[in-house]
Amino acid sequence: EVQLVESGGGLVKPGGSLRLSCAASGFTFSNAWMSWVRQAPGKGLEWVGRIKSKTDGGTTDYAAPVKGRFTISRDDSKNTLYLQMNSLKTEDTAVYYCTTGLIVVAHDAFDIWGQGTMVTVSS
Amino acid sequence: QSVLTQPPSVSAAPGQKVTISCSGSSSNIGNNYVSWYQQLPGTAPKLLIYENNKRPSGIPDRFSGSKSGTSATLGITGLQTGDEADYYCGTWDSSLSAEVVFGGGTKLTVL
Repeated sequence: EVQLVESGGGLVKPGGSLRLSCAASGFTFSNAWMSWVRQAPGKGLEWVGRIKSKTDGGTTDYAAPVKGRFTISRDDSKNTLYLQMNSLKTEDTAVYYCTTGLIVVAHDAFDIWGQGTMVTVSS
Repeated sequence: QSVLTQPPSVSAAPGQKVTISCSGSSSNIGNNYVSWYQQLPGTAPKLLIYENNKRPSGIPDRFSGSKSGTSATLGITGLQTGDEADYYCGTWDSSLSAEVVFGGGTKLTVL
């Protein structure tokens, strides 16, 4: 079964840091371009960023609101995706989803989603 | 303010048809594929349509997608109470800040 399972969410103070993990199973993780998408309470979806497969360069892209503060990385030996979040702001409060598009050629849509992990930034 | 514009809400009776629009620009919808997602309360989004009009395995043909110029449309026929959810369009935006962008979401109410 294809599965993504996020972990690492919690309560953190403004200015603090948190690292999220996403464990993948049921597909060839090393070939997948992986993304993080977040959803603030009662709000819509917001793409956070992505990391390409190593065969496609392994580079990262980020949305403007998180660029310079968040870092996406991957460990293909552990089938795990990471999101390191630094200098957190109250507006980063959201459910964070790990996602990928296994059936999509252009890497611009997502058919596999994790259950999400909640990050709350508050003093 | 989302890059892609969707109506905040639509409604229709069971068995009827509804369409949800998604408006963008040449830097996003106009030159890239559009996808659509359904999000039931408290759950992760689910891909309904990708590459403008393709349905993943398991998605019924009651759901359809189309694109024309800088706009896209999701159609749902034979509405069921289980279709009541939030729907989002998404695409790649190849402007200065190249990124995936989503619409603000449309709440579908099945009356």
